[in-house]
Amino acid sequence: DAKTTQPTSMDCAEGRAANLPCNHSTISGNEYVYWYRQIHSQGPQYIIHGLKNNETNEMASLIITEDRKSSTLILPHATLRDTAVYYCIVTSTGTASKLTFGTGTRLQVTL
Amino acid sequence: NAGVTQTPKFQVLKTGQSMTLQCAQDMNHNSMYWYRQDPGMGLRLIYYSASEGTTDKGEVPNGYNVSRLNKREFSLRLESAAPSQTSVYFCAGQLAGGIDNEQFFGPGTRLTVL
Repeated sequence: DAKTTQPTSMDCAEGRAANLPCNHSTISGNEYVYWYRQIHSQGPQYIIHGLKNNETNEMASLIITEDRKSSTLILPHATLRDTAVYYCIVTSTGTASKLTFGTGTRLQVTL
Repeated sequence: NAGVTQTPKFQVLKTGQSMTLQCAQDMNHNSMYWYRQDPGMGLRLIYYSASEGTTDKGEVPNGYNVSRLNKREFSLRLESAAPSQTSVYFCAGQLAGGIDNEQFFGPGTRLTVL
């Protein structure tokens, strides 16, 4: 699976959009970009994923560049409850998807 | 649905002791996984089971064994615990071919080996 690079930490004011970048320059054609987050010491939680098109769900939007070498997770209106570590993971889907977690981006949402 | 459950939540062992971490899911997952997370680090895959009856090594399998008892249950065993195995252990399940193919994680087991 392709390796990803994320900033160590970011801050965001409550109510503003949080834009979390991820570089995955060695991504293969059949690999998806997945985003998970981990609040405090809970188990990670799935947020969104995409292959090459932009995606949106009730939690977030995912923007993938045309060359697929980078992506951005957007939380449109961040709240204090969005404070967490966000992991960008590239993986192929199949019977079993082995996820490789890096150290992620620690997002701190402040008043 | 309880989702993915793990027992125990906390455990303290002495070096050399053995124990089994239990994981169960009621979401009809085909695949199940065991990860460990050390302080300040991301999760690392220990073992996984792509389907009932199969198990495979992940990134850090040394010192562990697993059993896929049935479709619902996937246990992780430490035969002779070492301080280096002090960590938080997460179990996850995945419904292969599901809409999002995401993994659902349990709440974790916090293990300390003295």
